[in-house]
Amino acid sequence: SQKIEQNSEALNIQEGKTATLTCNYTNYSPAYLQWYRQDPGRGPVFLLLIRENEKEKRKERLKVTFDTTLKQSLFHITASQPADSATYLCALDQDNAGNMLTFGGGTRLMVKP
Amino acid sequence: DVKVTQSSRYLVKRTGEKVFLECVQDMDHENMFWYRQDPGLGLRLIYFSYDVKMKEKGDIPEGYSVSREKKERFSLILESASTNQTSMYLCASLGGPGANVLTFGAGSRLTVL
Repeated sequence: SQKIEQNSEALNIQEGKTATLTCNYTNYSPAYLQWYRQDPGRGPVFLLLIRENEKEKRKERLKVTFDTTLKQSLFHITASQPADSATYLCALDQDNAGNMLTFGGGTRLMVKP
Repeated sequence: DVKVTQSSRYLVKRTGEKVFLECVQDMDHENMFWYRQDPGLGLRLIYFSYDVKMKEKGDIPEGYSVSREKKERFSLILESASTNQTSMYLCASLGGPGANVLTFGAGSRLTVL
């Protein structure tokens, strides 16, 4: 089955800098990959989806890349703000139908003012 | 916006008690899911349902059962709660903004004493 690795250590950055989070996976490349944000005590919230034929996807200050050769996705937040502090999860679909999403353990981002 | 509502945010139960966790979605989605989330282990899929009265096992179904009597409602049942089932339980519905995206509830934190 698919194994997903995200840096379990918290990422601490200064406000205004770009945060880059990594998601690595093993085995086959999925048809798409998703990123979610989770605040403490809350459920994850969907942010972005990128398909295997897309190299890059942007939404406001967020950018996701998907490298099927490296089996890696990078998640960038530009001009980071303290309000961006949260845990970010990547997820891969094992059956390409959304029924078997496998999540990484998440990376906690702390943006300091 | 899709809304997924979990009726209980916090529960404290004793070992051996039967526990019901209820989840309701308001967007007529076919697929619903139950995950549990534990520190260091990420989100793990317990069960999902793709239609009324239909269910499929996820990665960790042991000790759990589910019920889907109506399309909008998906219940997770712990027949005899044990301390190792202390966790955050997250319900999700498939079909948020874009295809194959999960919309999660706020979570139910269960403590089994």
